Amino acid sequence: DIQMTQTTSSLSASLGDRVTISCSASQGISNYLNWYQQKPDGTVKLLIYYTSSLHSGVPSRFSGSGSGTDYSLTISNLEPEDIATYYCQQYSKLLTFGAGTKLELK
Amino acid sequence: DVQLQESGPGLVKPSQSLSLTCTVTGYSITSDYAWNWIRQFPGNKLEWMGYISYSGSTSYNPSLKSRISITRDTSKNQFFLQLNSVTTEDTATYYCARITTAMSYAMDYWGQGTSVTVSS
Repeated sequence: DIQMTQTTSSLSASLGDRVTISCSASQGISNYLNWYQQKPDGTVKLLIYYTSSLHSGVPSRFSGSGSGTDYSLTISNLEPEDIATYYCQQYSKLLTFGAGTKLELK
Repeated sequence: DVQLQESGPGLVKPSQSLSLTCTVTGYSITSDYAWNWIRQFPGNKLEWMGYISYSGSTSYNPSLKSRISITRDTSKNQFFLQLNSVTTEDTATYYCARITTAMSYAMDYWGQGTSVTVSS
């Protein structure tokens, strides 16, 4: 299986900050990388698909980038509603998720 | 709007089978896409379990292949998860979700999740 590593398990930031969350794959995944947001109540939403495509209805302050084995999600101007846990997910072989990065307010 | 809702017992005894239902509204499960089960363990690790496609074909996580079955009732627009011979390690929150293969196998709609505890 391809292992997805989110090295930062938690991250503190202030409102208005630019935040970057990283994810790396154990082997190349050809940009088949998606990002999700999970709120404390368990609600899960798709943010970004295929590395950098913004899902319908997702605010433009969210963006994604990367290639090969290294990918990132950036929130350009942190809003209160962005406080959540963020997961990466690959589909190159099967589907696997990263362990998540919990974003908290400083 | 597309909505998915999980339902089923919240408590299952070890060695028994876990059975869950996902009811889909706003879209026919026979029109397109793949319809998935994902679980989240205590500690928040997410695991993809498997899917049934719009055509009825299935794909399972090899780690579960001997215990899992995903079926559907097209007349009720529902799909089902059965996991056999459960242990306490199967305690998790179970989600159903839609996968769009045209979008990098992204899961664009999720249910709210249902918590299942395996305990005697």
